[in-house]
Amino acid sequence: AQKVTQAQTEISVVEKEDVTLDCVYETRDTTYYLFWYKQPPSGELVFLIRRNSFDEQNEISGRYSWNFQKSTSSFNFTITASQVVDSAVYFCALSDGEGNKLVFGAGTILRVKS
Amino acid sequence: GAGVSQSPSNKVTEKGKDVELRCDPISGHTALYWYRQSLGQGLEFLIYFQGNSAPDKSGLPSDRFSAERTGGSVSTLTIQRTQQEDSAVYLCASSKEAGLANYGYTFGSGTRLTVV
Repeated sequence: AQKVTQAQTEISVVEKEDVTLDCVYETRDTTYYLFWYKQPPSGELVFLIRRNSFDEQNEISGRYSWNFQKSTSSFNFTITASQVVDSAVYFCALSDGEGNKLVFGAGTILRVKS
Repeated sequence: GAGVSQSPSNKVTEKGKDVELRCDPISGHTALYWYRQSLGQGLEFLIYFQGNSAPDKSGLPSDRFSAERTGGSVSTLTIQRTQQEDSAVYLCASSKEAGLANYGYTFGSGTRLTVV
């Protein structure tokens, strides 16, 4: 069965600090997809990134970066120079090889204080 | 429309009553998904529709739950004889295509269901 673990329930940082959100997954599929979503206080889930299991290149998008390591089954997310607007719940998710039916982690609440 | 629209945004119902939740996906999106977000269970997949194919209902928690999608667009999630454990936020998402071509759903704001 597939499983996603986000061990950090809540993280608090001060603005401009870097912060890394951890995600560890379990799957028996050889082809799978990993996702990160952001859920701000408004409630909508906002797509951030998708990574397939054959692409271990790290990705950077502005202040966001993702580190995918199959050897440790991890897909960690780093926010550089955090801002108050980054405060949200962040979810890591895993899909099967067909790309449907996401399994979500429990989420990490990120609080960025000014 | 510009985004995924869900209605109502909030629904309070008495235990035992039936409820219908509506999702209007982004125009042109062929795939539609329902998820449930609750305190105890987190985010759970319920069902998805892709075009005219039979829906994948593998996530529906009981036979009290059903969903349909009319004309390949609007979807309705129906919960019969609601129970208190059905209280949750029901999220709908759509994507241009399902499966491998899916590059991340667009989620709606959800319907918060409270069963009293």
